[in-house]
Amino acid sequence: KQEVTQIPAALSVPEGENLVLNCSFTDSAIYNLQWFRQDPGKGLTSLLLIQSSQREQTSGRLNASLDKSSGRSTLYIAASQPGDSATYLCAVRGYQKVTFGIGTKLQVIP
Amino acid sequence: DVKVTQSSRYLVKRTGEKVFLECVQDMDHENMFWYRQDPGLGLRLIYFSYDVKMKEKGDIPEGYSVSREKKERFSLILESASTNQTSMYLCASSLEGAAGDGYTFGSGTRLTVV
Repeated sequence: KQEVTQIPAALSVPEGENLVLNCSFTDSAIYNLQWFRQDPGKGLTSLLLIQSSQREQTSGRLNASLDKSSGRSTLYIAASQPGDSATYLCAVRGYQKVTFGIGTKLQVIP
Repeated sequence: DVKVTQSSRYLVKRTGEKVFLECVQDMDHENMFWYRQDPGLGLRLIYFSYDVKMKEKGDIPEGYSVSREKKERFSLILESASTNQTSMYLCASSLEGAAGDGYTFGSGTRLTVV
């Protein structure tokens, strides 16, 4: 059974800092991994999708990497802004189903 | 801009009521999903569908049913609402096939059962 862990559960950083969010998974037999952002009381917004054959994806200040063999993905946020404050979730698509992490709640302090 | 639209952002219903949550997508996606999200438990899959008139149970189907009469619409039904069904409900869709473009979610429905 796939298990997805996101550490830390919460993170508070000053504005402008570069930061890394972590996602680990136990079964490396995956099709892809997707990072989402969720604002309070809202749905999930897709940020980046990495296929299993890829090592990383970039969008603006965001960079996501995937190391399938070690069961890890990181989401790098450059020059953080207060508007980045949200919960970030990763979702791992295995051969049978998609498994979500519980998320990392990020607060960027002005 | 492609979208998954959930008909209500907030709902308050009474115990025992029959509740319908509607989800419509305009991306011609084959797959549609209903999740509930609770603090500390994350997203849990209730039901999903890979095609019209087709449905499969997820991890927590008890107390729920679904309907998919058209490709773009996937409805979640609470036959007799109970207070333990108070939650955030999220609908998602995706393309058929493993190497698709991932999930697209709706904006969620916060359901309170009193």
